[in-house]
Amino acid sequence: GAGVSQTPSNKVTEKGKYVELRCDPISGHTALYWYRQSLGQGPEFLIYFQGTGAADDSGLPNDRFFAVRPEGSVSTLKIQRTERGDSAVYLCASSLMGQPLEQFFGPGTRLTVL
Amino acid sequence: GENVEQHPSTLSVQEGDSAVIKCTYSDSASNYFPWYKQELGKGPQLIIDIRSNVGEKKDQRIAVTLNKTAKHFSLHITETQPEDSAVYFCAAPISSGSARQLTFGSGTQLTVLP
Repeated sequence: GAGVSQTPSNKVTEKGKYVELRCDPISGHTALYWYRQSLGQGPEFLIYFQGTGAADDSGLPNDRFFAVRPEGSVSTLKIQRTERGDSAVYLCASSLMGQPLEQFFGPGTRLTVL
Repeated sequence: GENVEQHPSTLSVQEGDSAVIKCTYSDSASNYFPWYKQELGKGPQLIIDIRSNVGEKKDQRIAVTLNKTAKHFSLHITETQPEDSAVYFCAAPISSGSARQLTFGSGTQLTVLP
């Protein structure tokens, strides 16, 4: 079946701009996660959704970052007033409710802030 | 929170030889240990996982071993092939908050030389 999809695959923006990154999880997966991966590092947790609500947003670095999942499926990660340090690959993962740690990742969105 | 250390950071082996990557974790409550393979430009792919009630799990050429007493787990790849070349990440769950986060190691760049 179809895996996790993310759009766009690449996003180049200027410092100070607003960006939205989209994630479409595996059908039937109620849990959705956002991670950020800097060059040469492992993914770092940002936020976790169970259904429509953010169950854990402790990984969001500051209030410029926000994510929504209004219908319990597609999620959007929103970054305001982007900074050069936000440049990274943003990964989305999903899992079944009963197996929250068995997470399946999408291909990621590479964000470059100039 | 969980701290996961992974080594080596780079590993080169001759095709047909075995490769071993090791990780240590800090949280004795951790009970699930996945391994991911990440190819260039792609998201991490779950290749094998192990739960704390078993000491070893095999899937064809790959195996994972777990030593709960010593708090370390290892990935073993036998009969390596060029297509095994990738970055490999171990992970362990963080026990605080929603307990749905994975903390990742820093990755091992495996190169299989033909």
